[in-house]
Amino acid sequence: AQSVTQLGSHVSVSEGALVLLRCNYSSSVPPYLFWYVQYPNQGLQLLLKYTTGATLVKGINGFEAEFKKSETSFHLTKPSAHMSDAAEYFCAVSVAGTGFQKLVFGTGTRLLVSP
Amino acid sequence: GAVVSQHPSRVICKSGTSVKIECRSLDFQATTMFWYRQFPKQSLMLMATSNEGSKATYEQGVEKDKFLINHASLTLSTLTVTSAHPEDSSFYICSARSGTVSSGNTIYFGEGSWLTVV
Repeated sequence: AQSVTQLGSHVSVSEGALVLLRCNYSSSVPPYLFWYVQYPNQGLQLLLKYTTGATLVKGINGFEAEFKKSETSFHLTKPSAHMSDAAEYFCAVSVAGTGFQKLVFGTGTRLLVSP
Repeated sequence: GAVVSQHPSRVICKSGTSVKIECRSLDFQATTMFWYRQFPKQSLMLMATSNEGSKATYEQGVEKDKFLINHASLTLSTLTVTSAHPEDSSFYICSARSGTVSSGNTIYFGEGSWLTVV
């Protein structure tokens, strides 16, 4: 079965600093991996996804993530944090055998950005 | 704009009553939709898979008689919380896939629906 572990329920950075949100996955088959962002009282917005091909994936709002099979990781980064990046971030892996539609989510990491 | 829409975004109902939440794919057809539940400050937990024209598939521990799912058309799935109780208060989110993930299309989530049972 697939699973996702997000290290750190909260990450605090200063505006302009590097953002690093960690995600490790477990999957017996090649995974499809996703990062979603959730702003307060809203649904989820896709930041980026990895399916196949290039392991460095670029997403919206300047975020990117690198799929590292050897480390079973898919960490999310952004070179320079902006105040508007403050939100909850979820890493997810698709469940094999479901047409890759069913997602298993990590527990989420709340990003706090200070001026 | 949103490609998956949920309605209502917020609903308050009395304990013992039933409430229906709609999930629509706006510009694509979705034979399968998914319903998730999110408790405050927690992650999303998959409740069930909604299949157009057939019965929904529920995850372990989810009461199918309490959370009725109907996938009436290729663009609409509904979740009905029957005989709601305060512990059913939660954020409910649906998702649907446009095309195939491997082809570059993606899974879209609705905006979510806040249910408060008083």
